[in-house]
Parts: sequence; structure tokens; C-alpha cells
Amino acid sequence: QSVLTQPPSASGTPGQRVTISCSGSSSNIGSNFVYWYQQLPGTAPKLLIYRNNQRPSGVPDRFSGSKSGTSASLAISGLRSEDEADYYCAAWDDSLTKVFGGGTKLTVL
Amino acid sequence: EVQLVESGGGLVQPGRSLRLSCVASGLTFDDYAMHWVRQAPGKGLEWVSGISWNSDSIAYADSVKGRFTISRDNAKNSLYLQMNSLRDEDTALYYCVKDKGYCTGGRCYSDAFDIWGQGTMVTVSS
Repeated sequence: QSVLTQPPSASGTPGQRVTISCSGSSSNIGSNFVYWYQQLPGTAPKLLIYRNNQRPSGVPDRFSGSKSGTSASLAISGLRSEDEADYYCAAWDDSLTKVFGGGTKLTVL
Repeated sequence: EVQLVESGGGLVQPGRSLRLSCVASGLTFDDYAMHWVRQAPGKGLEWVSGISWNSDSIAYADSVKGRFTISRDNAKNSLYLQMNSLRDEDTALYYCVKDKGYCTGGRCYSDAFDIWGQGTMVTVSS
């Protein structure tokens, strides 16, 4: 059972906008930054969004993050086939441990 | 190019020990906190342990506390994870991860995991 709650799956057609939610508590998302990681099949995870809504260099602006209270979301606009991957949200907890969501498998139909 | 290369994984019996290593290149290793994150087959990500740049601050997930020990040797650009009393549920791909870190107001904090190794597989089975 993961500390952060994500839907196990999401889907969309090419060009569509998809959002993935992430729910936590006051001790993690509510008081700390949220991060999003993308894991393509058979590869190591890659940082997608940091500090709620910042994109690392090289990440397309089709990816955006937001946070409100104890929840966060990742939005992907102009969905492409190469976006098919597992997406994980994460946050630091006040206990100085990092907690992850269970992951959302995104399928591009 | 920044690179993290893990080694030391393998098949081990329950109750035995294993030591993982991670060598970093392409970065000033002692500028950054480092972590271990694991992923059981077909499952999600689980943070295991983290260590500050100077080893002053160390933390563990409850699931490994008292059994695993994280350490680093900045002179060798290396991160380690000593795993004792291994259990079946420790079976996973173990990733070495660099902490991006940020400083504000005179204090520095752990941040995003911006560089990941390819992982080393640990299988605990009799």
C-alpha cells in the first residue's frame, strides 16, 4: 500500500489532454514539494516535474504539474505515442523519508 | 555526462547479506546527497535510504531500518548499501539515485531525484 494514492491506469488518444492525480496528506504533499517521474518500459525512471511545477531541461512543455492542498496532478497535453509509460508522483514526508505513489500506467490508444 | 553505475546484486538466501555499490562519474560527487530506491518485479518505486553529502544525515525506510546501512566514500565517488538479514520481500531492482538538492535561507534540503543509475537486481530466495 503506497503512501500517495494514484489511479492505477489512465488512457487517451493522440493529441488529447490527460491528467493523472496524486493524493497525499498534510505531512507530505500538504507541506512539501511534489515530484513526478516517468518510467518508460524497461528503463530507469526519469525526472519529469520537480518542486510542484518545474520542468527539467529537455522535458517538453506538454508536461505540466500542479498542487493544491494535499493533492497534485500531472497534465499531459498533445498526447503522443511515446508518452506511454508509468508515471509516479512523490513527495518528501516530514519524517525526512521520500514517499511515492503506486504509479499510473498511461496507455495511448 | 553524469553517470551512476551500480553493482553487487545477485541471488542470495534469506537471512544472508549483500553489499551494493554505486560509482558516480561526471559530477562533483561530494556536492550531493545520494539515495537508494528499489522496485520489486512488476511493482512501484520504494525509497530505501538516503545520505547527505558529508554523511551527517542518514535516513531509512521503516521496511529496512535496522537491517540496511547506507554509506559513502567521497574520495572514491562511491555510494554503498550494506544489506543484512535479507528477506524475500527485499527482492527488487535497486537504483542508485542523485539528489538535486536546493538551498534557501542558509539551509539546504533534499529535492528531486534527477539522475538514476540502471539498477542492480537483488533476488532473495532459498
